[in-house]
Amino acid sequence: DQQVKQNSPSLSVQEGRISILNCDYTNSMFDYFLWYKKYPAEGPTFLISISSIKDKNEDGRFTVFLNKSAKHLSLHIVPSQPGDSAVYFCAATTRGSQGNLIFGKGTKLSVKP
Amino acid sequence: NAGVTQTPKFRILKIGQSMTLQCTQDMNHNYMYWYRQDPGMGLKLIYYSVGAGITDKGEVPNGYNVSRSTTEDFPLRLELAAPSQTSVYFCASSRTWGGSTGELFFGEGSRLTVL
Repeated sequence: DQQVKQNSPSLSVQEGRISILNCDYTNSMFDYFLWYKKYPAEGPTFLISISSIKDKNEDGRFTVFLNKSAKHLSLHIVPSQPGDSAVYFCAATTRGSQGNLIFGKGTKLSVKP
Repeated sequence: NAGVTQTPKFRILKIGQSMTLQCTQDMNHNYMYWYRQDPGMGLKLIYYSVGAGITDKGEVPNGYNVSRSTTEDFPLRLELAAPSQTSVYFCASSRTWGGSTGELFFGEGSRLTVL
C-alpha cells in the first residue's frame, strides 16, 4: 500500500508560469517531508524540505506547502524555467523514530519555452 | 568532488548469475544506502549502513547482500539474479541519518537487466 502518492505522472507548463506538483500521504506519523529532483541518467538531488511543525518553506523559486489535516503537500515553482524539466519525487519520513525515507512514484515536469 | 560513484552504469545478467554493484563515496559520510527504482515507481530501500561494519535491511532486502568494511565503500551483491531484479539501483550517502534531514547524496545509478 502506497504511503506517499503522487497521482499526476506528468505535468506540462509554459516557461515563466507557475508549476504546482502535488503529493498526498496516508501515514499520520510522518513528520518530515522532502522533494527531490531527478534528471535523466542522474541520481536524485535534494531540493527542499519541510517539517510538520511548519506549513510553508521557501527557497528561492521553490516553495513547499504542507496541509497536515488534508495529509497533502505541494511544491510550487515560480517562475518555471526549461531547466526545471525533470522528475520530481516527494518523500516522507518519521524523524522521531529514525524512519526510512518513503518515496512517491514521481511526477515528470516539462517546462516549454 | 566525485561525491558518490557507482559502477557499472549498465549491466545485463543471465538468470542465476551473480554480480556486485560497487559504490564508493569521498565525503566521509557514515550513512550509506542502496535503493532500487522500478519503472514508474518510487525508490525503495534495499539495505543501509550506519557505519563501517554495521548494516541492516531495508524494505526490499531479499536476493541481496551488502558489506561495509570501510567508511568509503558499500558494495551490493546480487546472488542468483532473477528477472524481478531488473531495475535501476542507486547508492546514496549522508552525513546524518537520512530520515532525520532527508539530504541524501545519490550516485548516478546502475541499470541492471536480468534476462
